[in-house]
Amino acid sequence: GAVVSQHPSWVICKSGTSVKIECRSLDFQATTMFWYRQFPKQSLMLMATSNEGSKATYEQGVEKDKFLINHASLTLSTLTVTSAHPEDSSFYICSAKDREGFTTEAFFGQGTRLTVV
Amino acid sequence: GQNIDQPTEMTATEGAIVQINCTYQTSGFNGLFWYQQHAGEAPTFLSYNVLDGLEEKGRFSSFLSRSKGYSYLLLKELQMKDSASYLCAVMDSNYQLIWGAGTKLIIKP
Repeated sequence: GAVVSQHPSWVICKSGTSVKIECRSLDFQATTMFWYRQFPKQSLMLMATSNEGSKATYEQGVEKDKFLINHASLTLSTLTVTSAHPEDSSFYICSAKDREGFTTEAFFGQGTRLTVV
Repeated sequence: GQNIDQPTEMTATEGAIVQINCTYQTSGFNGLFWYQQHAGEAPTFLSYNVLDGLEEKGRFSSFLSRSKGYSYLLLKELQMKDSASYLCAVMDSNYQLIWGAGTKLIIKP
């Protein structure tokens, strides 16, 4: 299947700093990428939908100024957690849809475990 | 509203068979997915059903009844490595995935 690469796999940062997470589709073009957050023992929560060349669509309750999303190309989307706080510590996962017609699955990155201390 | 229900946790014995159920109520339907997620890892795709019936793929099978808003994932010949969470997700009319909370499957020797 298609490969989505997410980097870094884990990161520890100090409170108040910013962290950037990258999501790349390696062997296909993704017009749409999704960013999820998953707290322990909970399901995936969609944060935002990222469309190449346009502004991301954020889900209700997700602060767009805090979670900056950039989808500059058909193979790269980035999520920047700005002024991170301990409550932002979570597992962040991206997924991407192939632009070539209807896809039957969303391809997931490996996830990024963010710990804010 | 949109809702996906699946059991929180199930326990089964190595070598046995287990069925994980999922019921859904969504705005439109464009297919149902099952994913496996090991702790600390991203989900991995298991199956996709858009038509009624049973799809078999090795030890895993997935069933769908659209009229009943119901699906199940059947795991045969259980192995210890099958211990994981199993997520049911439905693609709605906007082609967005609506996720269930996941079923934690515990396999005992």
